[in-house]
Amino acid sequence: DIQMTQSPSTLSASVGDRVTITCRASHTISTWLAWYQQKPGKAPNLLISKASTLQSGVPSRFSGSGSGTEFTLTISSLQPDDFATYYCQQYISYSPLTFGQGTKVEVK
Amino acid sequence: QVNLVESGGGLVKPGGSLRLSCVGSGFTFNNYYMTWIRQAPGKGLEWIAYISATSGTIYYADSVKGRFIVSRDSSENSLFLQMNSMRAEDTAVYFCAGGSGSYPINYWGQGTLVTVSS
Repeated sequence: DIQMTQSPSTLSASVGDRVTITCRASHTISTWLAWYQQKPGKAPNLLISKASTLQSGVPSRFSGSGSGTEFTLTISSLQPDDFATYYCQQYISYSPLTFGQGTKVEVK
Repeated sequence: QVNLVESGGGLVKPGGSLRLSCVGSGFTFNNYYMTWIRQAPGKGLEWIAYISATSGTIYYADSVKGRFIVSRDSSENSLFLQMNSMRAEDTAVYFCAGGSGSYPINYWGQGTLVTVSS
């Protein structure tokens, strides 16, 4: 199984801050990496696929990078709507399909 | 507009059974692989089952293997999860979610709450 490890688990930041979340895979996954945003009581929303492809409608302040086993999600200038929990997910294997444990971005 | 609507959640006793349904609309359901993903209260996302577009490939997480059965009815644009021998640790919001081809999951339902308690 491919384990996904995110850091940090919680991140305290202010509006306007540059925020970076890291995701590490236990085995190489090339660029088969997605990032999701989830707000309380809602389903996750796909932000980035293939490690760095921004989905339609996602603000350009979000960006993704990495390949192999190391990946990052960056928010260039944090906005009030960005306070949420972020998950990485590998999809090179669907058995099992694995998520990181999540990173909660909270108000500093 | 894409819609995935789950139903069938509720309160069930340990050892009991429950069947979840999910109906899709606004997209070509038959072209999408579908999954069930759950989220225990205050916890992260846990994938539990995958079914390919043709139903030819099915996978389960170890935590539910032998107890849960995923199926789909493409004529009804529907996905199902039969949950048997349920345990307290199955308590969670259950999401149906799908993707196409080599694309990650990009369609999600709103979730349905399942509580296992005596």
